[in-house]
Amino acid sequence: DQQVKQNSPSLSVQEGRISILNCDYTNSMFDYFLWYKKYPAEGPTFLISISSIKDKNEDGRFTVFLNKSAKHLSLHIVPSQPGDSAVYFCAATVAGNMLTFGGGTRLMVKP
Amino acid sequence: NAGVMQNPRHLVRRRGQEARLRCSPMKGHSHVYWYRQLPEEGLKFMVYLQKENIIDESGMPKERFSAEFPKEGPSILRIQQVVRGDSAAYFCASSPGSGRETQYFGPGTRLLVL
Repeated sequence: DQQVKQNSPSLSVQEGRISILNCDYTNSMFDYFLWYKKYPAEGPTFLISISSIKDKNEDGRFTVFLNKSAKHLSLHIVPSQPGDSAVYFCAATVAGNMLTFGGGTRLMVKP
Repeated sequence: NAGVMQNPRHLVRRRGQEARLRCSPMKGHSHVYWYRQLPEEGLKFMVYLQKENIIDESGMPKERFSAEFPKEGPSILRIQQVVRGDSAAYFCASSPGSGRETQYFGPGTRLLVL
């Protein structure tokens, strides 16, 4: 049973445009959500997080939106840069215990 | 401030041998988590430890796998009698505490079982 899903395995965006990565979850007990970026042969790098009591969190070019009623979160990257090309994972946790990850979305930003 | 350290970065074992993976958490972090990424899959939780305690091992295979986080020294993930299906990337993460604390990941150990 996949509690966190990223339905788009890949996304291609032009440099300078907006990248929108989506994530759906089923467990209503999740209270903290995170996005990680991963390059090949490296560990996941933390990008941004959001608590379930908020609906938006912004950090520079990265904004995460949370829609609890739809059990949906999204990551917006504006403007997209070629260095953003990587695999992006969303993750969720209940009370700070284990992270449950989605399957990842490969983002390709074209110059 | 050093991040999460893992060693070795690459490990090759023959079937039946033992694999020991080490993880040193970030300074000031007392919570350690191990995750596994099988080829073409996402990361899956294995075990959550605090110093000298296993908090949650619900993701750990029941046999051949064990983990510890002693009072002194790194956390160790131990795989006995490795099989080809154990070939994966093993990632360690640490956080300063539980609750809404971000987990920071190490670079991973890539285990290849021949």
